[in-house]
Amino acid sequence: AQTVTQSQPEMSVQEAETVTLSCTYDTSESDYYLFWYKQPPSRQMILVIRQEAYKQQNATENRFSVNFQKAAKSFSLKISDSQLGDAAMYFCAYEGYTGGFKTIFGAGTRLFVKA
Amino acid sequence: DGGITQSPKYLFRKEGQNVTLSCEQNLNHDAMYWYRQDPGQGLRLIYYSQIVNDFQKGDIAEGYSVSREKKESFPLTVTSAQKNPTAFYLCASSTGLAGAGEQYFGPGTRLTVT
Repeated sequence: AQTVTQSQPEMSVQEAETVTLSCTYDTSESDYYLFWYKQPPSRQMILVIRQEAYKQQNATENRFSVNFQKAAKSFSLKISDSQLGDAAMYFCAYEGYTGGFKTIFGAGTRLFVKA
Repeated sequence: DGGITQSPKYLFRKEGQNVTLSCEQNLNHDAMYWYRQDPGQGLRLIYYSQIVNDFQKGDIAEGYSVSREKKESFPLTVTSAQKNPTAFYLCASSTGLAGAGEQYFGPGTRLTVT
């Protein structure tokens, strides 16, 4: 079975600095999708960034980028120029084809941003 | 505006009572999902539906039931058989195509059973 591990329960970053959130996953599939979701204090989950496993190029969305290492099964999220509004829970998620369109979420990393 | 609505935001029930959580979407999405969120455990899949009149159990389906009579609606019933029902419940939808798009989430319902 696929698993997603986020080893950092909490992280903190100074405003305007850069922070990297870690995520590793375990799968025997070769084709799959990876996501980072953000859950702010309002608890409304929103997508931050997605990565297709067949693409070697790392995905980038404005200040958010990923470091996708397929062989190592690692998918970290880098937030540049951190802003106060980035403070939230961040969930790493995996979607593969086994068993239908199910997404598996990690336990989350709570990010604090210091002014 | 397109989106997912969940109601109510907070729900209180006595132990032994069944309770139904509402989830409606107007995104024309085929797939809908129910997750349970507990502190430190991320999101766990309860049930999902890829098409009307069809649904599958997720990882923690025991004590829950769903229906999918309409494309827009995917209500979740928390039955008295669910041993620890107090949690935050999130409904989501997607196009249903693997990886084609993200899941869109509702604002959630906080259920407290005493």
